[in-house]
Amino acid sequence: AQSVTQLGSHVSVSEGALVLLRCNYSSSVPPYLFWYVQYPNQGLQLLLKYTSAATLVKGINGFEAEFKKSETSFHLTKPSAHMSDAAEYFCAVTHSGGYQKVTFGTGTKLQVIP
Amino acid sequence: GAVVSQHPSRVICKSGTSVKIECRSLDFQATTMFWYRQFPKQSLMLMATSNEGSKATYEQGVEKDKFLINHASLTLSTLTVTSAHPEDSSFYICSARRDLRGNEQFFGPGTRLTVL
Repeated sequence: AQSVTQLGSHVSVSEGALVLLRCNYSSSVPPYLFWYVQYPNQGLQLLLKYTSAATLVKGINGFEAEFKKSETSFHLTKPSAHMSDAAEYFCAVTHSGGYQKVTFGTGTKLQVIP
Repeated sequence: GAVVSQHPSRVICKSGTSVKIECRSLDFQATTMFWYRQFPKQSLMLMATSNEGSKATYEQGVEKDKFLINHASLTLSTLTVTSAHPEDSSFYICSARRDLRGNEQFFGPGTRLTVL
């Protein structure tokens, strides 16, 4: 069984401030973890993924996330928020071994204040 | 690479009619395609998984006779919402998996269905 919890359905930051979106996972086997971004009325775009290699993963648009097994976390960060970062962000979990279902978190809407 | 398209992007239909949504992988062959449903301000809920040439696997609570899925080729899957009702109004998103080793799914842009 696997699950994802995203703390905070809404996060507001000022432009230029640090972005921190929280994700905790539960998995009975080593997980693969993903962060996706969704703009209004669009599909999901992959920001970054962790697949058991380096624990600090760098993605597109200046985002990065760190896999912390001891904390079962995979928080998404960006040093300086940009207006274009305003969107919905989803954390997702699956694991290796052929096809495995991907489970999505409930999403965090990021608002960037000018 | 790894582009997934959906058609149509928006559709409005009358209650009782059927609507077909297409999902295509444009530059790769998809071993598996997935159909999700997303209600406003909510996450994606997996409806079904389809493999080319075989019957789709539906998630618990999803009516297979209402949401018909056909995966006729490695680049095309279709979702038909039969006898649509207003409660079927939602954002439907497909995704495709390129190979069995990778776990990344590539998402289509979604289809907004409104049933009047």
